[in-house]
Amino acid sequence: DSGVTQTPKHLITATGQRVTLRCSPRSGDLSVYWYQQSLDQGLQFLIQYYNGEERAKGNILERFSAQQFPDLHSELNLSSLELGDSALYFCASSLQGGGDTQYFGPGTRLTVL
Amino acid sequence: GIQVEQSPPDLILQEGANSTLRCNFSDSVNNLQWFHQNPWGQLINLFYIPSGTKQNGRLSATTVATERYSLLYISSSQTTDSGVYFCAVDGTGGYNKLIFGAGTRLAVHP
Repeated sequence: DSGVTQTPKHLITATGQRVTLRCSPRSGDLSVYWYQQSLDQGLQFLIQYYNGEERAKGNILERFSAQQFPDLHSELNLSSLELGDSALYFCASSLQGGGDTQYFGPGTRLTVL
Repeated sequence: GIQVEQSPPDLILQEGANSTLRCNFSDSVNNLQWFHQNPWGQLINLFYIPSGTKQNGRLSATTVATERYSLLYISSSQTTDSGVYFCAVDGTGGYNKLIFGAGTRLAVHP
């Protein structure tokens, strides 16, 4: 158990819908990261937050957005869902957010029908 | 951006055998981590090793930063070692955006 929690574990929805994925970092960690794992793209970095502020962006679509709240939990919002958005979404956390170990949560498996 | 190549892509072992997995990266890195993704999809952190050598039980890892490669050694393999092993690096000067390799898929047979 990494100490990072994600909910829900599984999510099944239809094209065009909007969903919210939630992540709670390890106790004491200030930085949260979101990654997407799909069959065709592999594991890709989406976005990083540090102590409530966006710090780095990767290959995140405009239909996706994220935020980190004052209690340091984070949410990833996916809207206008397409079949290709079906993937495993991971949240990770680290103490500082630069050159330190990232610990990954169990992931949320999203299926878009 | 930085490129990460892992080899071999697939590996089949008999229980008890040893193996070496390799990760090559194209630029200097601030962070290098090895992960094991088990058959249930969980990503388990094995090592944080931007340079040097570390050991944890039957697993050890070595990163030679000047030559831009890292090696993961698995000794006396067990069926529970099966899964995909990923190397991930960050070369952004402190933002910690991990770039993952394609992975090595390991199957250990009894």
